[in-house]
Amino acid sequence: QVHLQESGPGLVKPSQTLSLTCTVSGGSISSADYYWNWIRQPPGKGLEWIGYIYYSGSTNYNPSLKSRVTISVDTSKNQFSLKLSSVTAADTAVYYCARAPQYCSGGNCWFDPWGQGTLVTVSS
Amino acid sequence: QSALTQPPSASGTPGQRVTISCSGSSSNIGSNTVNWYQQLPGTAPKLLIYSNNQRPSGVPDRFSGSKSGTSASLAISGLQSEDEADYYCAAWDDSLNGPVFGGGTKLTVL
Repeated sequence: QVHLQESGPGLVKPSQTLSLTCTVSGGSISSADYYWNWIRQPPGKGLEWIGYIYYSGSTNYNPSLKSRVTISVDTSKNQFSLKLSSVTAADTAVYYCARAPQYCSGGNCWFDPWGQGTLVTVSS
Repeated sequence: QSALTQPPSASGTPGQRVTISCSGSSSNIGSNTVNWYQQLPGTAPKLLIYSNNQRPSGVPDRFSGSKSGTSASLAISGLQSEDEADYYCAAWDDSLNGPVFGGGTKLTVL
């Protein structure tokens, strides 16, 4: 059973870069069958997809965040990471990592499983 | 403003059947499949329905999904107290070239 776990600082100062890592256990991140995603949820609000990465390193980002987002993968550690630059209070959210099937880009896209999420607060 | 529109709240009594709607457009629901997630209080979302009407292993058959045109619905029959949660619909959006979510529906079991 695949398990995903987010890790990283819970507090980031405005204008700095938010950095999170998702560690995958119980399965290989190098599988050609999946995309690896980041999704966030501001407190009391809905879900927003941030982007995904394939094991090969190819990425796809939400256009609303594309200029500030970088997702990378480290297959040797079975991890993938998120960097979000120039953060503001609006970036305060619970950040989730999640797996999606490789035909996600073909229009049939779901997230399963999800990590437990990590709250990142942007404040000075 | 979410790309998919859901009612903010829904309610029902134990044993009742409730439905939650999700409205989209030709660029998302109209041309791609719909998925539903259940988020219990203080926990991560969990996949409930995928590919419009498929249940992952372990999801009770009390939960069912359907899609017609640019709208979709989640139905919960035999409502139970443990079904009290937030429910989100989602679909790939061809204009965004990525998945979009509904704003979520808070289900209360009275």
